[in-house]
Amino acid sequence: AIQMTQSPSSLTASVGDRVTISCRASQGIRKDLGWYQQKPGKAPKLLIYAASTLQSGVPSRFSGSGSGTDFSLTISSLQPEDFATYYCLQDYDYPLTFGQGTKVEI
Amino acid sequence: EVQVVQSGAEVKKPGESLKISCKGSGYNFANYFIAWVRQMPGKGLEWMGVVFPGDSDTTYSPSFRGQVTISADKSINTAYLQWSSLKASDSGMYYCARRGGAASGDFDYWGQGTLVTVSS
Repeated sequence: AIQMTQSPSSLTASVGDRVTISCRASQGIRKDLGWYQQKPGKAPKLLIYAASTLQSGVPSRFSGSGSGTDFSLTISSLQPEDFATYYCLQDYDYPLTFGQGTKVEI
Repeated sequence: EVQVVQSGAEVKKPGESLKISCKGSGYNFANYFIAWVRQMPGKGLEWMGVVFPGDSDTTYSPSFRGQVTISADKSINTAYLQWSSLKASDSGMYYCARRGGAASGDFDYWGQGTLVTVSS
């Protein structure tokens, strides 16, 4: 199975900060990667798919980049509602696999 | 409007069977994969498997193959996750999610989750 390694596992930031989360695949996955946000007690929410395509309705402060094995999610100016846990998901080969998550805290 | 709605919370005893459901509406249910994702308390997301309702073709994660059964009934727009003999370690939150048309990491609609508690 393809392993997805996210870093950091957690980070502390302030409103207005620029935040970047990384995800590395154990083998090349083209651009078959999605990013998800999960708040406590809620289902995950799709932010980015195909590594860099913004899901409809998601604020433009979220962006994704990368291809092959290295990917990143950037929040250009952190807002109070962005404090959550973020996951990457590779959709290149079965079994699909998530990263372990990055918790963004104040 | 696309919606994915899961069945309610369950409390079961070890050894009991269970089948939880995920109903899609507002789109052609047969044409979109449905995945199941587990989240243990305080832990991350685990992809369990996927079903294509159009032909009921199913793929499992090796971690869950043989432990659960994933199925779908396109006539009633519903996917299922079932256990034949629950264990305490099956306790957790289970989500279903629709895989979007790009099939590139785009699970775009998620159910609200079904909490399964297995305890004697």
